[in-house]
Amino acid sequence: RKEVEQDPGPFNVPEGATVAFNCTYSNSASQSFFWYRQDCRKEPKLLMSVYSSGNEDGRFTAQLNRASQYISLLIRDSKLSDSATYLCVVNGAGGSYIPTFGRGTSLIVHP
Amino acid sequence: ETGVTQTPRHLVMGMTNKKSLKCEQHLGHNAMYWYKQSAKKPLELMFVYNFKEQTENNSVPSRFSPECPNSSHLFLHLHTLQPEDSALYLCATSGRSSGDNEQFFGPGTRLTVL
Repeated sequence: RKEVEQDPGPFNVPEGATVAFNCTYSNSASQSFFWYRQDCRKEPKLLMSVYSSGNEDGRFTAQLNRASQYISLLIRDSKLSDSATYLCVVNGAGGSYIPTFGRGTSLIVHP
Repeated sequence: ETGVTQTPRHLVMGMTNKKSLKCEQHLGHNAMYWYKQSAKKPLELMFVYNFKEQTENNSVPSRFSPECPNSSHLFLHLHTLQPEDSALYLCATSGRSSGDNEQFFGPGTRLTVL
């Protein structure tokens, strides 16, 4: 089993839709979790950290389920500008504090 | 602007060339990272430096040689690369190389090995 797994997609949704991505991790001792966004041919940028209690930032909601070892990202009211690849990052997945990236989930929002 | 710059942005080199990639950060961070991103693959961590000391070498071939002369600069020296080394090379920094720190990435160097 890979340390961090994501469905690569693409998720193809219309503007205004709600879309959710999951990311599973294998190491139950993982310490911290993040979602990054990467636009085509650009560097990854932090979208949001994921806290145990769940957190929300505008249209974006991130949740952590330690029992089932996954994190999720929910995007409400999708915009065209949300089209990107969303990377799940887990720290401590390999038994160390080195971050492990998932391969990313591609989102395409169309008019 | 993320405060992390990389040069050059694009590089084409032959297999016998020697070149260096440079990363510079203006964030006052203590940890610096080199990643490789190939098409359709997740980011692959190559090296980690913490307070200028290399703390992680993720089984990277010796044709890649990192150097961290100070906490603001990180280099990746390239020598006798292979075509499969063509990729986007990303530098990142974080406050410290512990688990709860977000990373800030530079724009990357897109490398093509002929």
